[in-house]
Amino acid sequence: EVQLVESGGGLVQPGGSLRLSCAASGFTFSGWWMTWVRQAPGKGLEWVANIKDDGSEKNYVDSVKGRFTISRDNAKNSLYLQMNSLRAEDTAVYYCAKDYYGPHHWGQGTLVTVSS
Amino acid sequence: QTVVTQEPSFSVSPGGTVTLTCGLSSGSVSTSYHPSWYQQTPGQAPRTLIYTTNTRSSGVPDRFSGSILGNKAALTITGAQAEDDSDYYCMLYMGSGTNWVFGGGTKLTVL
Repeated sequence: EVQLVESGGGLVQPGGSLRLSCAASGFTFSGWWMTWVRQAPGKGLEWVANIKDDGSEKNYVDSVKGRFTISRDNAKNSLYLQMNSLRAEDTAVYYCAKDYYGPHHWGQGTLVTVSS
Repeated sequence: QTVVTQEPSFSVSPGGTVTLTCGLSSGSVSTSYHPSWYQQTPGQAPRTLIYTTNTRSSGVPDRFSGSILGNKAALTITGAQAEDDSDYYCMLYMGSGTNWVFGGGTKLTVL
């Protein structure tokens, strides 16, 4: 059974940094693209970034380009999202997902709150 | 910038049939956009219902079906049940760079 468990969320001040992690199990992690999706409180879903199975290709939504970095460690079955220069509008629940023609299996999410 | 459009809300009676749509502010949706559909209830993670236009995800009841209707992607629920009362999001592949874009979601009420 595919399991994805996010961690690393919390309260951070504007301009600060946070690193999210996603621990994967139940599938061959190194064989799949992975994705981060976020959802601001009371709002819809927003695709944030994805990364190829070997880490050689990464894509980002325009609003996070230059601030967020997606990465992975296939030896540790883990996905990461390094978030720098955080803004209030980055406040959201962040979900990691195993990709298959888009996010397919989802974690339960981790809440990031950017506030002073 | 092209926007993915969905009806903000819809209602259906139990046992009834409803079709939700997913369009583009400019242009037509085709299978090349690999439309997918997600269901989300409050406080829960999204659940994948349909991917690549019309493929049901594992465990999804067959009352959910996906298609292209005219110039939009569509999600049809045939024989709606109370537990289908949820938010529904579509997502389209917009090509390299932009990659995937979600619609704004449809709040479906079953009553």
